[in-house]
Order: sequence, then C-alpha cells, then structure tokens
Amino acid sequence: DAGITQSPRYKITETGRQVTLMCHQTWSHSYMFWYRQDLGHGLRLIYYSAAADITDKGEVPDGYVVSRSKTENFPLTLESATRSQTSVYFCASSDYAKRPTYEQYFGPGTRLTVT
Amino acid sequence: QQQVKQSPQSLIVQKGGISIINCAYENTAFDYFPWYQQFPGKGPALLIAIRPDVSEKKEGRFTISFNKSAKQFSLHIMDSQPGDSATYFCAASYMNYGGSQGNLIFGKGTKLSVKP
Repeated sequence: DAGITQSPRYKITETGRQVTLMCHQTWSHSYMFWYRQDLGHGLRLIYYSAAADITDKGEVPDGYVVSRSKTENFPLTLESATRSQTSVYFCASSDYAKRPTYEQYFGPGTRLTVT
Repeated sequence: QQQVKQSPQSLIVQKGGISIINCAYENTAFDYFPWYQQFPGKGPALLIAIRPDVSEKKEGRFTISFNKSAKQFSLHIMDSQPGDSATYFCAASYMNYGGSQGNLIFGKGTKLSVKP
C-alpha cells in the first residue's frame, strides 16, 4: 500500500523555467491539496481539488497551475519559476466520507530550489 | 479572522517534563481543531484532534485542552521524550464538506526539542 507519493523529492531549477511536481495517491480519496512550507509561515494552501476536474484556489495560488484529470493524480505546475517559489511542497489527500476525523494524509514532500 | 496564531515558535524541554503549545483563533465558526506532528524530512501527520463540544481530549501522553470562551486551545505533552522532538502544527476548520469552508487553516508551527 503506497499511500501518497510525491516526485521528484528534490528539484533544482532555474528562474523562468517550467517545473511540474507530481502527486499520486492510492486510496481513491476525493480531496487533494497542495501546500507550501516556509520558515515562519507554516503550511499555506496553494490549491485544492474536491474531485477529478474540480479545482479551486487556496491562500497562495499565484504562479501555480493545477489539474486533476484522474482521481489519483494531482500535479502542480510552476509555469515560470521564481526564487520566491523556493520551498518545500507537500501534497495531501482526504476522504471526507470518513467522518468525523477529517484527517488529511500528507506526502513526503518535494524540496524545490529555484536559482 | 481566518488566522490561527500559535506560540511559542520554538520550545526546549527536558526529558520527562511537560511541553505546552498554545493556539488562538478568531473565527467562531471553526469547529474542528487538529494537531499535526512533523518529523524532519517527513510530511505532517495527524496527532490528535478535538471538537468544541468537549474541553479536553487525551490520547496517551498527548492532551488537547480547549477553551471555547477564550477561543484558545493547547497541546500538552506529558513526560516528554527525545522521540517527541518534532515540529507541531495546530489547525482549525469548519466540519463542512465541500467548498473552501472545509479546508484546514494551520498555525505557523512550534519546533519542540526534548533534551535527554
């Protein structure tokens, strides 16, 4: 049971390049999330998805694009990477049907450095 | 109103001592308050959670105390161990399903170090 996986785990890219971070979950959870974690800011929601083909913005969506064509995948794309997007990115999933825990399951993270 | 304020930013405790982390919120619509634990190089994982209809929830050495009138909640770690050294995040949410109201709002985290 793989759970939730992210790839790559580490990525270095140059300013202006497009980069895609992948997220895959094996639980068929309906909800998926992308967060970024920065010192002093905690976890901030970038985008989330309630189901395949349904996505919505979170707190810090600018500069990011998401898609969800299949329930199990939720890629995050930085269309033109900037140094301010250097961060650790976490994907998470949740099965809202499992009341009342409302638990989100996090992946291991992707450390992205933009030079 | 959507913020969750967490303190302290860092905490050093001796082995066997009590670790206390505090969080405060403004939005009275929040009705679900989880704590997440994150070890270095790992993703956060749910530790314990509480709903505002109870004032305290205990799971092993971990206890959430909840003060609805003060809009505050705290995590107490009894008999703290070096293995508890991690970053702890409080969070808050509505227990609705679907739409933005269901999302977790995280505090900024507390880095706990338990010294042997």
